[in-house]
Amino acid sequence: DVKVTQSSRYLVKRTGEKVFLECVQDMDHENMFWYRQDPGLGLRLIYFSYDVKMKEKGDIPEGYSVSREKKERFSLILESASTNQTSMYLCASSLRRRSTRDQPQHFGDGTRLSIL
Amino acid sequence: KQEVTQIPAALSVPEGENLVLNCSFTDSAIYNLQWFRQDPGKGLTSLLLIQSSQREQTSGRLNASLDKSSGRSTLYIAASQPGDSATYLCAVGHGGFKTIFGAGTRLFVKA
Repeated sequence: DVKVTQSSRYLVKRTGEKVFLECVQDMDHENMFWYRQDPGLGLRLIYFSYDVKMKEKGDIPEGYSVSREKKERFSLILESASTNQTSMYLCASSLRRRSTRDQPQHFGDGTRLSIL
Repeated sequence: KQEVTQIPAALSVPEGENLVLNCSFTDSAIYNLQWFRQDPGKGLTSLLLIQSSQREQTSGRLNASLDKSSGRSTLYIAASQPGDSATYLCAVGHGGFKTIFGAGTRLFVKA
């Protein structure tokens, strides 16, 4: 079974702090994703990585950065946390498309982040 | 711009009933469609993924269909159980990394 592990289930930080959210997957997946989920807005993609050191902006990258130094680990960084970044953050991973077959995304349990 | 809509937003059924959840999308040029389940406070669990060339996928009591031309997908759950209570989301894939999620249908199965 694919295992996507997020380092914290709950996190409380203060405005202006630099915040690191960590995600590790154990299935040698090429693709990794960071989403945030908010009531009424659904899931929105923040960043995507398709290989080590590679990244692409998603729909809402402002205020965030990412790091992928190893294939299994994808970190989301809030450079200077603000209250509007209070949210549920979900990490996902998937295999790269094989032939004509897309591969399902597998999600971690999420980190509920509160910025005070 | 792709929009994904799930109706109804919430559904309550008695145990044992067969039910259908609906998902519609506005742009038929999709690569795949995926159905997920989300339990309260948890991440998403992948249930079924339908490639754009397929019409349906089945797993146990679940069957998902895809009609690209009409922009619709359905998730059929047979003989529902209280353990099926969760939020079900559909997500449309546009290739690469672009996935658009619906807002979900919250299902409650009464014992």
